[in-house]
Amino acid sequence: DQQVKQNSPSLSVQEGRISILNCDYTNSMFDYFLWYKKYPAEGPTFLISISSIKDKNEDGRFTVFLNKSAKHLSLHIVPSQPGDSAVYFCAARGSNDYKLSFGAGTTVTVRA
Amino acid sequence: EAGVAQSPRYKIIEKRQSVAFWCNPISGHATLYWYQQILGQGPKLLIQFQNNGVVDDSQLPKDRFSAERLKGVDSTLKIQPAKLEDSAVYLCASSRLGQRDNYGYTFGSGTRLTVV
Repeated sequence: DQQVKQNSPSLSVQEGRISILNCDYTNSMFDYFLWYKKYPAEGPTFLISISSIKDKNEDGRFTVFLNKSAKHLSLHIVPSQPGDSAVYFCAARGSNDYKLSFGAGTTVTVRA
Repeated sequence: EAGVAQSPRYKIIEKRQSVAFWCNPISGHATLYWYQQILGQGPKLLIQFQNNGVVDDSQLPKDRFSAERLKGVDSTLKIQPAKLEDSAVYLCASSRLGQRDNYGYTFGSGTRLTVV
């Protein structure tokens, strides 16, 4: 039973434009959400996170938005750069958990 | 600080054979995780250790998978016998005891297993 879903397996965007990645979750006990970035042959690396007490968190070109009532979060990358081409995973955990539940990932390709 | 080390990077075996993966976490990280990532899916937790004790192994297929973390440092994950559906990347991650934010949660590069 997949509790974190990323329904878009891929996204292609032109360099300089905005990339928007979406993620939905079903477990109402999740209270902390993270985005990871993964290059081929490497492990996932942390990108940005948000606690359920916030609805927005910004770090440079990356912003994560959380809509708890809709159980939905999104990652905005502005402006997109060629180095952003990677697989992006949405992850979540509960207040008493250390383990993460991951979505299936979205492959982002930034075109020059 | 050195990252999470995993070996081997790649492994190809025939079904019904056995295989073992090794992980060395970041120094001082008491919590260690093994995740399985099947192609096209997100990582799935197999087992979580805290020091040398198992915290969560609810998704570990115990009829064929086993893991240990002797002395609370290095860990090995074993599959015996392997099945075709075990083909995946096996990721090890570690974090500090009690640290639940992201910053202490570091993944290794993984071991890509192909079962033929």
